[in-house]
Amino acid sequence: EAQVTQNPRYLITVTGKKLTVTCSQNMNHEYMSWYRQDPGLGLRQIYYSMNVEVTDKGDVPEGYKVSRKEKRNFPLILESPSPNQTSLYFCASSSSAGNEQFFGPGTRLTVL
Amino acid sequence: GEDVEQSLFLSVREGDSSVINCTYTDSSSTYLYWYKQEPGAGLQLLTYIFSNMDMKQDQRLTVLLNKKDKHLSLRIADTQTGDSAIYFCAEVGPSGTYKYIFGTGTRLKVLA
Repeated sequence: EAQVTQNPRYLITVTGKKLTVTCSQNMNHEYMSWYRQDPGLGLRQIYYSMNVEVTDKGDVPEGYKVSRKEKRNFPLILESPSPNQTSLYFCASSSSAGNEQFFGPGTRLTVL
Repeated sequence: GEDVEQSLFLSVREGDSSVINCTYTDSSSTYLYWYKQEPGAGLQLLTYIFSNMDMKQDQRLTVLLNKKDKHLSLRIADTQTGDSAIYFCAEVGPSGTYKYIFGTGTRLKVLA
């Protein structure tokens, strides 16, 4: 089944404790992206990747890192999480920029 | 800078038409999209329109694009209770980038 998977689905952590949210797609898509969803603000793009080893900042990249060492994986790294990073995070992929994005199920992160 | 705006809420009666509006600021975007998010789920593409089109119809959905006013609308004919969801408009490619800019989302409530 073609899908985008994220792990974990739920995470509660404390300020400053490094964490990684994994994202994987099995559709051989070139374009992958991370978003955060906050009430009243919609989805905001954090980082995107056009292909392996090619990443670019979205609108809200501060406090986040990403890597794209393999085509299928695009992990989101929070080196030192802070409470303002409490949010619902979505990973998405598409065959190329501009084509339909397929979204993962979301990761709800709480930073205390 | 890039910005995409939507009204936050819309309530309609079952069987009526729904019209969800969106305004965007960057006329260089090549694609404009409508995504649907059902409770507890990720986003799914509903329809899209190229920036050189004025209108696109897809079954119950009609997308209208007014480039002069930078206004995009989604009309859902014969709205059903299953259409209750959050609807996001989005643009890709503002200012020659491959960034996605999503609107704040419109929560559609369909009353039986």
